[in-house]
Amino acid sequence: KAGVTQTPRYLIKTRGQQVTLSCSPISGHRSVSWYQQTPGQGLQFLFEYFSETQRNKGNFPGRFSGRQFSNSRSEMNVSTLELGDSALYLCASSTYPRGVRGDGYTFGSGTRLTVV
Amino acid sequence: AQTVTQSQPEMSVQEAETVTLSCTYDTSESDYYLFWYKQPPSRQMILVIRQEAYKQQNATENRFSVNFQKAAKSFSLKISDSQLGDAAMYFCAYRSARSGGSNYKLTFGKGTLLTVNP
Repeated sequence: KAGVTQTPRYLIKTRGQQVTLSCSPISGHRSVSWYQQTPGQGLQFLFEYFSETQRNKGNFPGRFSGRQFSNSRSEMNVSTLELGDSALYLCASSTYPRGVRGDGYTFGSGTRLTVV
Repeated sequence: AQTVTQSQPEMSVQEAETVTLSCTYDTSESDYYLFWYKQPPSRQMILVIRQEAYKQQNATENRFSVNFQKAAKSFSLKISDSQLGDAAMYFCAYRSARSGGSNYKLTFGKGTLLTVNP
C-alpha cells in the first residue's frame, strides 16, 4: 500500500511569509502527527490530529497551526516565517488510538523548509 | 516530562561485525513503549524495532535486537552482521502508554550517526 506522502519535498520562503505543508496518511490511518527536525533541537513534536480534531499540541508558538480533513489528510501552516523555522517537517500516521500495538507510526520523507 | 538520551553522537562499525547503540530514558511511568527508528539520507524515518515496557522479553527483528533494562531505564540496540545499508542516523524514542491526547506523541533522543565501513 502507498506510504505517507508529504508535499512539497522542498520549499524556500522569505522571512515574514507564510507556508502550508501537506500530508496524506496511509489509507485507513486516522491519526496524523507532525514533527519538526533541526540540527540543534532534534525532533520535536508539533501536533497530533484524529478525526479532524487536534488531540495534542507541542510547545510551539501560535504561528504554527494545523488541521485535518475528513479524508484524514492533514496540513500544517506556519505564518510570519522566521529564519529559525528552517527545518525538516515530518509527518507520521497511525491507526490510533492503539496504533503502537498495530502498525505503529509510519513516517513520510518530510518537507525541507528553508527560510531566507 | 519524559526525556530520552543517546550519549553516542557517532558510531562506526566494520561490515559484518556487531555494534551496539545506547539509549537511556527518564520517566515516572510504569507502562510505555520504546522504539528505535532509522533515518537514512532519504530522510524517511523507518521503524526498526519496538519494545513494550510490560514485556520482559527483549524484542528481536532479524539482525536487530534490543537489551531492555527497565530498572536501569536503558534500551540499547544491537545490530548484528552489519551491512552497508545499515548506515544511517538512529533515533531512540519513547511513548507513554497512558490514554489521553497529551500522551499521544513520541519523544526522541538526539540520534546516533552510524557509519558502516566496507
